Order: sequence, then structure tokens, then C-alpha cells
Amino acid sequence: GQQVMQIPQYQHVQEGEDFTTYCNSSTTLSNIQWYKQRPGGHPVFLIQLVKSGEVKKQKRLTFQFGEAKKNSSLHITATQTTDVGTYFCAGHSSSNTGKLIFGQGTTLQVKP
Amino acid sequence: KAGVTQTPRYLIKTRGQQVTLSCSPISGHRSVSWYQQTPGQGLQFLFEYFSETQRNKGNFPGRFSGRQFSNSRSEMNVSTLELGDSALYLCASSLGFQLDTQYFGPGTRLTVL
Repeated sequence: GQQVMQIPQYQHVQEGEDFTTYCNSSTTLSNIQWYKQRPGGHPVFLIQLVKSGEVKKQKRLTFQFGEAKKNSSLHITATQTTDVGTYFCAGHSSSNTGKLIFGQGTTLQVKP
Repeated sequence: KAGVTQTPRYLIKTRGQQVTLSCSPISGHRSVSWYQQTPGQGLQFLFEYFSETQRNKGNFPGRFSGRQFSNSRSEMNVSTLELGDSALYLCASSLGFQLDTQYFGPGTRLTVL
């Protein structure tokens, strides 16, 4: 079945350093969504990308959707302690837009 | 608008028992999806209900079931609980259209002893 892999699983950075998490799907995706889950919280929607090669920015966060619509990345510039949490990518397979399949998440720790 | 609410927030059960979890979606949302979150497996899709019908189902045993009511509220039931069912159960609501954003509730933390 469809799988969405995320790497790395964990990342520790010093405050001010950049951070990137990568998401790869075994099948072509209709879209990619990114969610953030703070420790003890629930996933909160960040953004959705639907077009091949699409790039979107939210302040220090840059999201990319691959040309083949099978991979995506989230890059955070100059991390802050408020960026701590687990970042999940999720996508609908282009062959079955019903199920939203989540990656395992990347947990980011930021040292002040 | 009020967010997604889930009850109860915490639950402790013993092996063999059954449990029912409840989810009230955001007003106007017709789709409710359920996920199981564990440290080792991440977010695993259980099922999705739309207009009282199960629209999608994940790869979980038949002990996991759900339903949706006419007011879009949803319940999920787990029978014959096993230790491995200990997890955070999250429900998410959406309008129900393709490629929708999911709005998650706070989750129910289930512990099976």
C-alpha cells in the first residue's frame, strides 16, 4: 500500500540554525499537507501544496512539492525555541484521494 | 467556531474490556476521521466517516469500529482491548471535500493495563 516516509526521525539543532525535514511517498500524490504537533498537543495544519514544483513560504518556513509529486520538504530558517515539536507530512494518493496518509514525523528539538 | 472536541480525554481500561470514544466535529463539518498515534508507529489512519457512512478504512482489525450520527458526531469503539491498543486516539474533522484540511481534536489518551 501507499507509504509516506519522513527523514530524519529526530533533529537537535542550536537556536538560530536551519532545519530541514524530507518527505517521500511510494506513489504519486494529489497533494501534500504539513502539520505541526507541539509536545502534549495535537497536530495543527500548517499548509497544503497541490501543484508540481510548488513552493510556499510562511515567514521562516519554506515548503516545497517535488516536480514528480512524490516528495516534499519543509525548511525552517534560523530556528527558534517556539519551533519545537513534531512535523508531519501527509498526502492523498493520486489514485485514491480518500485516505490521508501521514509520514512518521520529524521531531525537532531546539537548544537555546 | 468551537474546535473539535473529544471525550473522554483520558481513559484507563484493562485487557479484554471494551471502550467507546466520542468526537464532536467543527460545526458544518461532515467528515470525521480517526487516527491512532503511538510513539513507534506515528499517526495511523483508522477510518473516515462522511454523512453517516464509512468512506475509507485503514488496516486495523475488526475490533476497531466506528459510526457517525446525523449531527456528524462520531464514536469509535474498541472491543476486547489489548495492551497494544494503548495510544492517543485523535479525531479530525473536515468539510468532506477532496484534499480538505483536517482539524484535529485534543485526543483521548487510552491506557490498557
